[in-house]
Amino acid sequence: AQRVTQPEKLLSVFKGAPVELKCNYSYSGSPELFWYVQYSRQRLQLLLRHISRESIKGFTADLNKGETSFHLKKPFAQEEDSAMYYCALIRRGAQKLVFGQGTRLTINP
Amino acid sequence: DTGVSQDPRHKITKRGQNVTFRCDPISEHNRLYWYRQTLGQGPEFLTYFQNEAQLEKSRLLSDRFSAERPKGSFSTLEIQRTEQGDSAMYLCASSLAQGGTEAFFGQGTRLTVV
Repeated sequence: AQRVTQPEKLLSVFKGAPVELKCNYSYSGSPELFWYVQYSRQRLQLLLRHISRESIKGFTADLNKGETSFHLKKPFAQEEDSAMYYCALIRRGAQKLVFGQGTRLTINP
Repeated sequence: DTGVSQDPRHKITKRGQNVTFRCDPISEHNRLYWYRQTLGQGPEFLTYFQNEAQLEKSRLLSDRFSAERPKGSFSTLEIQRTEQGDSAMYLCASSLAQGGTEAFFGQGTRLTVV
């Protein structure tokens, strides 16, 4: 079965510091990986997906198949980045998202 | 708001009662998903529809749970004989079958069983 692990439930960094939210997955095939974000009192929304290889709001994530990881990074954190972040995967040919437990990111001023 | 909408936003019910939630997807989306999220966990898949056909159900969806999407538009999720363990946030999402798999989520229905 597929599984997504986010080892940090809470992460706190200062504004302007680099941020890395860790995500590891277990799946023998080639999954599609996503990061979803939920800002306070807002709905869950897609932040980025590995196949698009783009930077959204300064965030990037690289799929490392050797380490089965998809860590989310941002070089300089901003206060508006404070939110709940979920890593998720879809296995090839499937439709359902498998989510990690989430990491609550707090950016301190 | 033209996104996915869910009704009600909050529901408190007594154990043993039946509850029904509604989800209205983004109008052109033919896929509709239900997820459940308990405190401190990520969303867990329950079931999904493509148009009116229910194509996959999780083992989490016990026989007390039933979901329908009769006309391929809105969907309902019914829980019969609610238990305290059913207390959770129930999330609905929708997507297009073509053009990738980005799912758009509703704001959820928070169920509390007392």
